[in-house]
Amino acid sequence: AQSVTQPDIHITVSEGASLELRCNYSYGATPYLFWYVQSPGQGLQLLLKYFSGDTLVQGIKGFEAEFKRSQSSFNLRKPSVHWSDAAEYFCAVGARWGGSQGNLIFGKGTKLSVKP
Amino acid sequence: DSGVTQTPKHLITATGQRVTLRCSPRSGDLSVYWYQQSLDQGLQFLIQYYNGEERAKGNILERFSAQQFPDLHSELNLSSLELGDSALYFCASSTGLNTEAFFGQGTRLTVV
Repeated sequence: AQSVTQPDIHITVSEGASLELRCNYSYGATPYLFWYVQSPGQGLQLLLKYFSGDTLVQGIKGFEAEFKRSQSSFNLRKPSVHWSDAAEYFCAVGARWGGSQGNLIFGKGTKLSVKP
Repeated sequence: DSGVTQTPKHLITATGQRVTLRCSPRSGDLSVYWYQQSLDQGLQFLIQYYNGEERAKGNILERFSAQQFPDLHSELNLSSLELGDSALYFCASSTGLNTEAFFGQGTRLTVV
């Protein structure tokens, strides 16, 4: 069955430090992969997505993610975190049964706190 | 602002009651998705409509139903509510089937 695992429930980093949020997926074929961010009281905003091609994808707000098929991973990175990046981050895989970019299986999320 | 509007923002109701959540998609979007976000289950896909027709169904309870109207707005009906139905319900919309989905800010439902 398709699934997404985000092993870190909560991460705290200092402002200006680098960030890596982990995501592992289970999928029988090449997956469609997404990272979303949810700020308190807000909906989800798409940061970036991977469908095919270059395994390093660039997103908004200075984020990037790398697809590693051998590790079934799609980790999110940012070289220098800003206080405004404090939020909850969700990794998602496109559901095979849906066929639409909105049919998503989400991980449980990683809450990011930023220390001044 | 994603352009997806959900009303109401908050809803408090008693067990056994029925409520209707409304979603207005972005202008021109044909596809609407409903998600439930709870502490126990996380974010779960409920149902998708495309141009008025049901397109895909996820983990939606039989007590829940949805529809998409000719003007493309959608409603999620939740009946015989239980305490466990307390959650944040998101609507998302996309132009077509292979385009990015944009999420609304959600309706927080509290069942007491």
